[in-house]
Amino acid sequence: SYVLTQPPSVSVAPGQTARITCGGNNIGSKSVHWYQQKPGQAPVLVVYDDSDRPSGIPERFSGSNSGNTATLTISRVEAGDEADYYCQVWDSSSDPWVFGGGTKLTVL
Amino acid sequence: QVQLVQSGAEVKKPGASVKVSCKASGYTFTSYDINWVRQATGQGLEWMGWMNPNSGNTGYAQKFQGRVTMTRNTSISTAYMELSSLRSEDTAVYYCAIHGATTNAFDIWGQGTMVTVSS
Repeated sequence: SYVLTQPPSVSVAPGQTARITCGGNNIGSKSVHWYQQKPGQAPVLVVYDDSDRPSGIPERFSGSNSGNTATLTISRVEAGDEADYYCQVWDSSSDPWVFGGGTKLTVL
Repeated sequence: QVQLVQSGAEVKKPGASVKVSCKASGYTFTSYDINWVRQATGQGLEWMGWMNPNSGNTGYAQKFQGRVTMTRNTSISTAYMELSSLRSEDTAVYYCAIHGATTNAFDIWGQGTMVTVSS
């Protein structure tokens, strides 16, 4: 089955830019979705189809996808962005929906 | 507004079954697939399977084949996920989520249901 690899943690100072990667074999050929999950809450979709934002998600959240790596970029990071972030793709294999292991974003 | 409300926390003994419900509101229940995702404490998200509420068709992750059953009652806009032969490793929060309401992803999630398996 398809495997998505994320760094366990990323740290960034307030106001800086955070980049969270999601690695997968030829992931650039797939649509990547990103979810934000704060402690005790359900996940929230923040980027879909590599780089689109759902209604209500700030423009500070953006995404890109090429080759073997997809990236979620959070500009002008705020304390409220501290959360776990998960990437997800649909793959035509036995288990079609696949999540990455998650990345904990810490705002210093 | 579109909303998924799940049933309350459950405590089960090993070997038992649990059935979690997910009541939809704010949209036509049969319009979008419902997926189930679980998350053990301190762990990541794990996809369990999907169901088309219109046809009742389902697809399950290999890991859960033979132990999970996803059903629905369209008259009350409610989806169900039943997991049998529970073991301690099944202790987790279980989420339902709609796929494809406004995006190509899991747009709307339920609040989660904590299932604890303990003797």
